[in-house]
Amino acid sequence: GNSVTQMEGPVTLSEEAFLTINCTYTATGYPSLFWYVQYPGEGLQLLLKATKADDKGSNKGFEATYRKETTSFHLEKGSVQVSDSAVYFCALKRVGQGAQKLVFGQGTRLTINP
Amino acid sequence: EAQVTQNPRYLITVTGKKLTVTCSQNMNHEYMSWYRQDPGLGLRQIYYSMNVEVTDKGDVPEGYKVSRKEKRNFPLILESPSPNQTSLYFCASSHLKGGDIQYFGAGTRLSVL
Repeated sequence: GNSVTQMEGPVTLSEEAFLTINCTYTATGYPSLFWYVQYPGEGLQLLLKATKADDKGSNKGFEATYRKETTSFHLEKGSVQVSDSAVYFCALKRVGQGAQKLVFGQGTRLTINP
Repeated sequence: EAQVTQNPRYLITVTGKKLTVTCSQNMNHEYMSWYRQDPGLGLRQIYYSMNVEVTDKGDVPEGYKVSRKEKRNFPLILESPSPNQTSLYFCASSHLKGGDIQYFGAGTRLSVL
């Protein structure tokens, strides 16, 4: 079946550190891949997406590249800020029946200290 | 402003007392969905709807009901809540065609005692 595995958190970094949150997936066909972010007390918001192999999604200084050969979609940012503290979810959208369904990873809580 | 609105935001109830969590979107989206979020499990889909009067089970539908009588509304009904339904619930919506982005409500935190 379709599944997403994220690195376990929580992750704590200092401001301006380099961030990587690992995400790997298992899916039939060629899913679309997403990173959603959940700030404290809010719903999820789309951070970035990629719809085919070798696509790079980017937004707000975050990047992730769709790697079909390693079935990965790791999230990176070169210099994190305190305002990046949130829970990050990797997700895939499967193809086929119920095609709008998102399959989520377990989430990674990120805390950035000043 | 594009919005998915859930009510209530917080709810404490007792076992067996029927409750409804409402969800409304103003983007004319065909697709709507309910998820529950539990620590270490991410979000899991409860029910979804592809359009008015079209609903189907997600991965964890037991103990829940939904209805889709109007395009904008998709209420989640717990006929006889139990403590294992204590969770954080999210409603989401998107277009069916070209609908890569799902829009989420702010969440409903439910405690069943």
